[in-house]
Amino acid sequence: DTGVSQNPRHKITKRGQNVTFRCDPISEHNRLYWYRQTLGQGPEFLTYFQNEAQLEKSRLLSDRFSAERPKGSFSTLEIQRTEQGDSAMYLCASSSQELNTEAFFGQGTRLTVV
Amino acid sequence: QKEVEQNSGPLSVPEGAIASLNCTYSDRGSQSFFWYRQYSGKSPELIMFIYSNGDKEDGRFTAQLNKASQYVSLLIRDSQPSDSATYLCAVTLYGNKLVFGAGTILRVKS
Repeated sequence: DTGVSQNPRHKITKRGQNVTFRCDPISEHNRLYWYRQTLGQGPEFLTYFQNEAQLEKSRLLSDRFSAERPKGSFSTLEIQRTEQGDSAMYLCASSSQELNTEAFFGQGTRLTVV
Repeated sequence: QKEVEQNSGPLSVPEGAIASLNCTYSDRGSQSFFWYRQYSGKSPELIMFIYSNGDKEDGRFTAQLNKASQYVSLLIRDSQPSDSATYLCAVTLYGNKLVFGAGTILRVKS
């Protein structure tokens, strides 16, 4: 296990369809984060988990977005009824629980809604 | 006021010069501070982190933190064209989520 893995790397979907992304964190990391990034902006926080518990969800996150981490290992992010505004890079990161430790990112999933 | 602010740039420096990237943050509860580098179309890559006041050096990179001024910076010595990228400043609040600035574009001209 050499890093955070995200699948798929690219996803093109039609407006109104549902999509699901997967993130496999670094194995010893118990924190997992989801971010969204659009062109020219920094990563925008969506939600994060500590083990299987979802500890915080952004107020900006629509009800169409849901994330799970059922066994405290991999996580999925689902977007229902996609809209063109959902087109972005979706980034997953993981870190250990300890204070002052760094978070490492996966390669991201680029979503294009047409 | 944004939680983490950076000048968007672009910051242009000649090859071999020192590039200075700055970041301010609004929440005094911020505990850890990170610099990530992001090439176009790629995910952020961690360069350095710092959580104590002062300087921290790693190779050509030096991070500087001043909690009283709520200011963190990154110096890149002997800048190379391969350093051309967007540099993201991020902070953790109360040991929880990582909050990013919008990033500064750095261009190193050969």
